[in-house]
Amino acid sequence: DAKTTQPTSMDCAEGRAANLPCNHSTISGNEYVYWYRQIHSQGPQYIIHGLKNNETNEMASLIITEDRKSSTLILPHATLRDTAVYYCIVKRGSGNTPLVFGKGTRLSVIA
Amino acid sequence: GAVVSQHPSWVICKSGTSVKIECRSLDFQATTMFWYRQFPKQSLMLMATSNEGSKATYEQGVEKDKFLINHASLTLSTLTVTSAHPEDSSFYICSARGAELSTDTQYFGPGTRLTVL
Repeated sequence: DAKTTQPTSMDCAEGRAANLPCNHSTISGNEYVYWYRQIHSQGPQYIIHGLKNNETNEMASLIITEDRKSSTLILPHATLRDTAVYYCIVKRGSGNTPLVFGKGTRLSVIA
Repeated sequence: GAVVSQHPSWVICKSGTSVKIECRSLDFQATTMFWYRQFPKQSLMLMATSNEGSKATYEQGVEKDKFLINHASLTLSTLTVTSAHPEDSSFYICSARGAELSTDTQYFGPGTRLTVL
């Protein structure tokens, strides 16, 4: 699976949009971009995933560039409860391929 | 939907004893389950992949005789840490994937914190 690069940490003011970037320049055509987050001492929480089109759900939006070499996760109105480590993971769409976690981005939402 | 539970949420045991951790998919059938562990200030590390009714596939460096994984039903997988030692103290997390769930998404349990004295 392709490797991803994320900033180590980011800050965001409460109520503002949090934009978390991810580079995945070696992504293959059949690989999806997944985003998870892990709040301290909890299991990772699924946020969103996409292949090539932009996606939106109740939690976030995922913007994937046309060449698919990078993406941005957008939390439209960050709250203190969004403080967590966010993981961008690229994975093939086959059933038994596990998620492989990198170091992620530590997002701190500040009041 | 897509809820995964783990039991216990935390456990303290003496060195040399064995500890069993259960992972259950509550509202879907998990054809594949994964076990991870996480040491403080580190990311999740994949330990093994298990398919219902088959032997687990372990990642390099993970001792299969020490970390016994059983996936006997479509809703339950267990991880047994045998002869636990202090260096096995960690946060153990399972995840599950179901065939009927959309596009291969994995859902994670809340984790089990193991402390070996």
